[in-house]
Parts: sequence; C-alpha cells; structure tokens
Amino acid sequence: NAGVTQTPKFRVLKTGQSMTLLCAQDMNHEYMYWYRQDPGMGLRLIHYSVGEGTTAKGEVPDGYNVSRLKKQNFLLGLESAAPSQTSVYFCASSYSRGESPSQPQHFGDGTRLSIL
Amino acid sequence: QKEVEQDPGPLSVPEGAIVSLNCTYSNSAFQYFMWYRQYSRKGPELLMYTYSSGNKEDGRFTAQVDKSSKYISLFIRDSQPSDSATYLCAMSVPSGGSYIPTFGRGTSLIVHP
Repeated sequence: NAGVTQTPKFRVLKTGQSMTLLCAQDMNHEYMYWYRQDPGMGLRLIHYSVGEGTTAKGEVPDGYNVSRLKKQNFLLGLESAAPSQTSVYFCASSYSRGESPSQPQHFGDGTRLSIL
Repeated sequence: QKEVEQDPGPLSVPEGAIVSLNCTYSNSAFQYFMWYRQYSRKGPELLMYTYSSGNKEDGRFTAQVDKSSKYISLFIRDSQPSDSATYLCAMSVPSGGSYIPTFGRGTSLIVHP
C-alpha cells in the first residue's frame, strides 16, 4: 500500500516554463489537496478537490491550475513558472465513504521545485 | 491574525525531557484536533487525532484540548533524539461545515543527546 505518491520528487525550471506535478493515491479517498510549504509560512492550501471531476480554490491559487479527471489522481499545473513559486509542494488525501469528512489527511513526501 | 497560532521555535531540549508543544486558535467551531510530525525532507504524518475536549494518550505522547481556552497541547515524555522534527497542529470543524483543516505554522523540536 503506497498511500500518496508524488512525482517528480525534485525539479528545476526556468522562469516562464510550464510543468505538471502528479499526485496519486491508492486509498480510494474522495478528497485531495495541494499545498505549498515555505519557510516560516507553514502549509498553505493551493487547490483542492472533493471528488472526481471537481476542483476548488484554496488560500493561494494564483498561478496554478488543477485537474481531477480520475479519482486516484490530482494534477497541479504551473503554466508560466515564476521564481515566487519556488517551494516544496505537498499533496494530501482524505475521507473514504462511511467516514467523517473531517478525517485527517495523508500526505505525500513532497516535490521540491526550484525556479530560476 | 491567523486562525491557528503556533510558535515556530526552535525548541531545544535534552534527551529524556518532557516536551510541551502548544497551539492557540480563534475559531470556536473547531472540534477535530490533530498533531502531525514532519521529519526533514518528508511529508507530515499524523501523530494524534482527537475530537472535542480532554486528553488522549498514545505511548509517550499525550494530546490535550482545552476548548474553553481555545488551546491545545502535545506532550512528549522521555523525549528521544528521534523525536527531533517539526510538529504541526491542525484543526477542523465537523462534517457539514468546512472540512478543510487549518494548520499552524509548525514548531521545530530538537532533542539533543
């Protein structure tokens, strides 16, 4: 049981380039989330999804897009990368049917993204 | 003012000490309270999960919630160097409200031998 898997683990981009971060979970969770973590700022929610085909904005959505075409996958896209998007990105998932939606989140190990 | 406040530390203690980590919050609707541990270059992992007020114990760890004071704590007894990590508190409201947890900024703990 892999839990939450993020790919890639590390990437360096040039300003203006685009890329997609992939998150996959094998726990049949309904909810999935993308966070960024910066020193002194804690975890900040970028976008989230409450089920296949749904997405919603979090606290810091600007410059990012997401898609949830399959229940087990949640993609985070950067259309035109900027140095301010240098960060560690974490994906999380939670809530299986029959549980409370307030169930704790399970996190991946992060993608370290540097934008030059 | 953030909904959840947490001192970033670092908190440095000798091995064997009792550690107290704390968060305060402003939203009285929070009823689920969580503590996550995050090792360097890893994702957060759930350590303790409590509902409503009171204490919950799991081995060397005790989570305490005081809803009247809007204050939660995590106590670590007989701390070990392997406990060195960042500890994040998180909290959410019950189903039917906002299920998105609100995180504190994390407290860095260093346990030295």
